[in-house]
Amino acid sequence: NAGVTQTPKFRILKIGQSMTLQCTQDMNHNYMYWYRQDPGMGLKLIYYSVGAGITDKGEVPNGYNVSRSTTEDFPLRLELAAPSQTSVYFCASGGNLGPNSYEQYFGPGTRLTVT
Amino acid sequence: GQNIDQPTEMTATEGAIVQINCTYQTSGFNGLFWYQQHAGEAPTFLSYNVLDGLEEKGRFSSFLSRSKGYSYLLLKELQMKDSASYLCASRDTDKLIFGTGTRLQVFP
Repeated sequence: NAGVTQTPKFRILKIGQSMTLQCTQDMNHNYMYWYRQDPGMGLKLIYYSVGAGITDKGEVPNGYNVSRSTTEDFPLRLELAAPSQTSVYFCASGGNLGPNSYEQYFGPGTRLTVT
Repeated sequence: GQNIDQPTEMTATEGAIVQINCTYQTSGFNGLFWYQQHAGEAPTFLSYNVLDGLEEKGRFSSFLSRSKGYSYLLLKELQMKDSASYLCASRDTDKLIFGTGTRLQVFP
């Protein structure tokens, strides 16, 4: 199992450009999440999905979009990149957050700089 | 509302014991997680408490008091490799709300 994979690892964007951060998991997890982590800070939830075809906003969704057409993939789209979106982005997946399956598995992260 | 508080930084000596505290206010609370994150890496799962009490896992233990909105992570026999950030996160229905993390530095 590869677990959770993210591409790219690093990216530099100019202000106003767009890009898609890719996330794939091979653990057949229902739940998938996108977080951003600014330097010295905790994780902020951007969007999450409880299954294919279902997405919901987290704490900081503005400037981002997601889709979940398959169980495996959960891409994050940035439209009109802004310097405030400079951050490290982590994708995570987890089984059903019931009493016996609660752990979230994180991808290695994407370091994004917007200049 | 959602609020999680934990100390920003802590230091300790190799071989010692350290306790990292976390207080939370979460609507729809259903469990408390601890994650470890080394610099430049992704978080990795350490523990999960849903009932009051202490959960022990080797050198690491985690405690939860739901009535007090309080948890702690206890690290025993500290090793240099334990230098990392420790993230407290409360489960709110289908998602986790993370604190800002406690950066632990272990000195020889």
